[in-house]
Amino acid sequence: DTGVSQNPRHKITKRGQNVTFRCDPISEHNRLYWYRQTLGQGPEFLTYFQNEAQLEKSRLLSDRFSAERPKGSFSTLEIQRTEQGDSAMYLCASSLTGNYNEQFFGPGTRLTVL
Amino acid sequence: GENVEQHPSTLSVQEGDSAVIKCTYSDSASNYFPWYKQELGKGPQLIIDIRSNVGEKKDQRIAVTLNKTAKHFSLHITETQPEDSAVYFCAARLERGSTLGRLYFGRGTQLTVWP
Repeated sequence: DTGVSQNPRHKITKRGQNVTFRCDPISEHNRLYWYRQTLGQGPEFLTYFQNEAQLEKSRLLSDRFSAERPKGSFSTLEIQRTEQGDSAMYLCASSLTGNYNEQFFGPGTRLTVL
Repeated sequence: GENVEQHPSTLSVQEGDSAVIKCTYSDSASNYFPWYKQELGKGPQLIIDIRSNVGEKKDQRIAVTLNKTAKHFSLHITETQPEDSAVYFCAARLERGSTLGRLYFGRGTQLTVWP
């Protein structure tokens, strides 16, 4: 257990529905990252926050995706109008500020869109 | 952006043998190279990392080497044990620019250690 928690661990939804995932980082970590991982691939970066500010978004993050970190603690990732191609593992990671600080990953939320 | 290639995609070794996984990267501005181990149903866990100003780093049975000129880095696991069986990912991070902070991952290597 790295100290990063994610909920739910699994989510099955029907195409077109909205889903929201939550990530609770390690408490003193001011950076929080979201990645997506599909079967047989490495994690792909989606977005990251420093405190409550969203500093970078990948082009993978279409307008159906939105992420927030309102008080600089937990974060939510919402996917609107889900598509089958959204099925993946969504990973959250946190770290201290700095170029060489380790990113600690949570266990992920596995999304299946039917 | 950065492109990280990882080989092989699968690797099977006998317990006690060594395992080597190799990665290349494309952007000379990358300066931090972590290796993660991912077990089934879990998130990636850092096992070792190396900075661009270091050529080699070792931690017990695990070592990483970095060749900045050739833009490649490798993971070496000696005296492998069945519990080393997992998927291993290499990653790289740029030291400057708008993409500061994100990790670029390879596609992973499924390591199987047979008893």
